[in-house]
Amino acid sequence: SQKIEQNSEALNIQEGKTATLTCNYTNYSPAYLQWYRQDPGRGPVFLLLIRENEKEKRKERLKVTFDTTLKQSLFHITASQPADSATYLCALEDSSASKIIFGSGTRLSIRP
Amino acid sequence: GAVVSQHPSWVICKSGTSVKIECRSLDFQATTMFWYRQFPKQSLMLMATSNEGSKATYEQGVEKDKFLINHASLTLSTLTVTSAHPEDSSFYICSARDMGRGVYNEQFFGPGTRLTVL
Repeated sequence: SQKIEQNSEALNIQEGKTATLTCNYTNYSPAYLQWYRQDPGRGPVFLLLIRENEKEKRKERLKVTFDTTLKQSLFHITASQPADSATYLCALEDSSASKIIFGSGTRLSIRP
Repeated sequence: GAVVSQHPSWVICKSGTSVKIECRSLDFQATTMFWYRQFPKQSLMLMATSNEGSKATYEQGVEKDKFLINHASLTLSTLTVTSAHPEDSSFYICSARDMGRGVYNEQFFGPGTRLTVL
């Protein structure tokens, strides 16, 4: 069956450290993968999109990698800040149905 | 740009009543809008895909007669929860794709609507 898994339900790290979140998928062949941020009681906000032919993508303190062999994406926040505390969702498109499916999310907490 | 609004942001209703939620793309045209439901501490679950001018496509397990979706224009989709019951209480989120951005385009999400059925 098709699955998108974000292994850590919650992650707590010290301010200034690099946060690394993992997204694994099975039985999908996505053309691209996306990462979103969601704050409590709000809709998700798009952060980054990485295509199947891209190994790495960066945006300011954010970095995403995409390994189609391992079927895995890693999401990094460098020099983390308490304001980065939120739930982060990975999502990929089911190309056969043109719809985006979300992982379960990782709740990231950055302590001062 | 690429702003999606939802109205209302929250609603409380009595069991058995119907509630309509609007989703609008404010500064772009969206041929496709999506409706999601999110329970506390869970991820977004896709309910249906709404295409302008045609019937919505519902995900398995979602009752189309209970969750009525209308996508009458390129900027508006509505979700009506009919005969709502307490188990329908949830956070409903819509999203829209900007048809002008090509193949690899992200979805833009609305702020969500909190529905509480008493």
